[in-house]
Amino acid sequence: DTGVSQDPRHKITKRGQNVTFRCDPISEHNRLYWYRQTLGQGPEFLTYFQNEAQLEKSRLLSDRFSAERPKGSFSTLEIQRTEQGDSAMYLCASSPDGIGQYFGPGTRLTVT
Amino acid sequence: RKEVEQDPGPFNVPEGATVAFNCTYSNSASQSFFWYRQDCRKEPKLLMSVYSSGNEDGRFTAQLNRASQYISLLIRDSKLSDSATYLCVGGGYQKVTFGTGTKLQVIP
Repeated sequence: DTGVSQDPRHKITKRGQNVTFRCDPISEHNRLYWYRQTLGQGPEFLTYFQNEAQLEKSRLLSDRFSAERPKGSFSTLEIQRTEQGDSAMYLCASSPDGIGQYFGPGTRLTVT
Repeated sequence: RKEVEQDPGPFNVPEGATVAFNCTYSNSASQSFFWYRQDCRKEPKLLMSVYSSGNEDGRFTAQLNRASQYISLLIRDSKLSDSATYLCVGGGYQKVTFGTGTKLQVIP
């Protein structure tokens, strides 16, 4: 399967813990995006990479969130000191230069 | 005002019907537009890009009206398998904004 993959698919954590998610994009795609989606809403932009450079980060993203794409391939999204409001589906997408985005299956985070 | 707005629906239509969704966008500088389909508890999947000249893919037709700042999706001969949420997307070539989606339910 050459699609976007994300790991883990589900994560349950206690409030205050740190969590890290991984995304492996389609190999020839140089753009990688992270989104958050809650029930009844569309995906909400979090951050965007072109190769290894993080070019944009949502103002909605607090300092507890950080993302990396160290070699321009896979990416990680870390949430520190999780809060119940962080519970959501975290989606990763990749794109070959803006011609639409291809999403992974997402990581569903539940903060208890 | 939201950057991309859609009627959340649901649109309940019988099999074989034609259904149309509209979506408005607020940023006149937006350059790229798409429709995505999202099934319940699944990731969004790219349905089609939307061009100024309009484009068609089988039973699906997408159009862009820059003057009125809206895009549309027309589905002809609806199938049960078309039941899903349809997300309108607009923005630049780097960052786009998703609408909240329009839910379609095709009824036997």
